[in-house]
Amino acid sequence: GAVVSQHPSWVICKSGTSVKIECRSLDFQATTMFWYRQFPKQSLMLMATSNEGSKATYEQGVEKDKFLINHASLTLSTLTVTSAHPEDSSFYICSAREERGLKQYFGPGTRLTVT
Amino acid sequence: KQEVTQIPAALSVPEGENLVLNCSFTDSAIYNLQWFRQDPGKGLTSLLLIQSSQREQTSGRLNASLDKSSGRSTLYIAASQPGDSATYLCAPFGTASKLTFGTGTRLQVTL
Repeated sequence: GAVVSQHPSWVICKSGTSVKIECRSLDFQATTMFWYRQFPKQSLMLMATSNEGSKATYEQGVEKDKFLINHASLTLSTLTVTSAHPEDSSFYICSAREERGLKQYFGPGTRLTVT
Repeated sequence: KQEVTQIPAALSVPEGENLVLNCSFTDSAIYNLQWFRQDPGKGLTSLLLIQSSQREQTSGRLNASLDKSSGRSTLYIAASQPGDSATYLCAPFGTASKLTFGTGTRLQVTL
């Protein structure tokens, strides 16, 4: 149980375009989802927390107009990287948590490469 | 701001050895701590969650302890196997469930 999927698993896009990444909880309802970014040989950094039906809360230094997060249902959150630049190339990982749950369940990640 | 340090950064051991991974954190006002493993290019797999009321958790060959007063957690792996090779991450968190990750310990178990 507690499976989280991400789509796509990898994407290559051109500089200036937008990319949408989906995060789905497959067998539970996720009232809260988290988005992380991981650069090579570094640890995960929390970008934002999203609660179903409300606006996401972004961590300091993360541009909310550049990284648009939507958590429209209890099983789906999306991260849209707008006007992508090469420095946005990274591994993006989402996690999901049940209401009243403590554990976060992580997706397999999406590798974004901006050329 | 919470800072998490994991020691050692890398570790190579022969199969069958018992080993200990260390995690220390600066903000002791945490409630819980979770240990994960990450295989190269993959997401995270949750290993153990130690809740605020607990001091340790066990799952199979893994045992994790938490000492909030000293800001430390250890992950003990018994009888290591090549399949245990991965990066191990610890992440303390409070009531807001925001995980702060350490930089990890990269483990290599050799035959």
